[in-house]
Amino acid sequence: SQKIEQNSEALNIQEGKTATLTCNYTNYSPAYLQWYRQDPGRGPVFLLLIRENEKEKRKERLKVTFDTTLKQSLFHITASQPADSATYLCALDRAPDSSASKIIFGSGTRLSIRP
Amino acid sequence: SQTIHQWPATLVQPVGSPLSLECTVEGTSNPNLYWYRQAAGRGLQLLFYSVGIGQISSEVPQNLSASRPQDRQFILSSKKLLLSDSGFYLCAWSHPGLARDTQYFGPGTRLTVL
Repeated sequence: SQKIEQNSEALNIQEGKTATLTCNYTNYSPAYLQWYRQDPGRGPVFLLLIRENEKEKRKERLKVTFDTTLKQSLFHITASQPADSATYLCALDRAPDSSASKIIFGSGTRLSIRP
Repeated sequence: SQTIHQWPATLVQPVGSPLSLECTVEGTSNPNLYWYRQAAGRGLQLLFYSVGIGQISSEVPQNLSASRPQDRQFILSSKKLLLSDSGFYLCAWSHPGLARDTQYFGPGTRLTVL
């Protein structure tokens, strides 16, 4: 069956360290993969999109990698800060040829950065 | 710039009562519109999407329905709520066509059915 999994429900790290979150998928061949941030009681906010022909993408302290052979994306936050504490969701479009996105989301990793 | 609104922000309803949640988007034309539900401790589930006025596609059979009476208005409804309808309902929009990748979410409606 088709799955998208974020294998860490929660991650606690020290401020200043690099946080690395993992997203794995099975039985999909996504054209792209996205990462979103969700704060408690709020809607998710788009962070980064990486396409299948891109190995790596960066935005300020964020870095995303996409390995279509391993069927895995890694999301890194360097020099982490307490303000980075949130739930991070990975997502892919399971029907890229459809007229509308049919995004499926992982269940999220709750990241806590301690001072 | 584009903005997306949802109301109400929170709602407590008895089992068997009707439901109407509204979502409106400003600053863009002909967006794709989406309704998601996020149950406690679970991921986001796509419920409905719409690529135009009056065009609704359902992703999951359920007790809910959706309508799009205007280009930038999306409504989620139910005639009789069930306990299992409780959750956090999120509306989202995306650009149409090839630029439809990214989803832009509203603030959400927290629904509790008692």
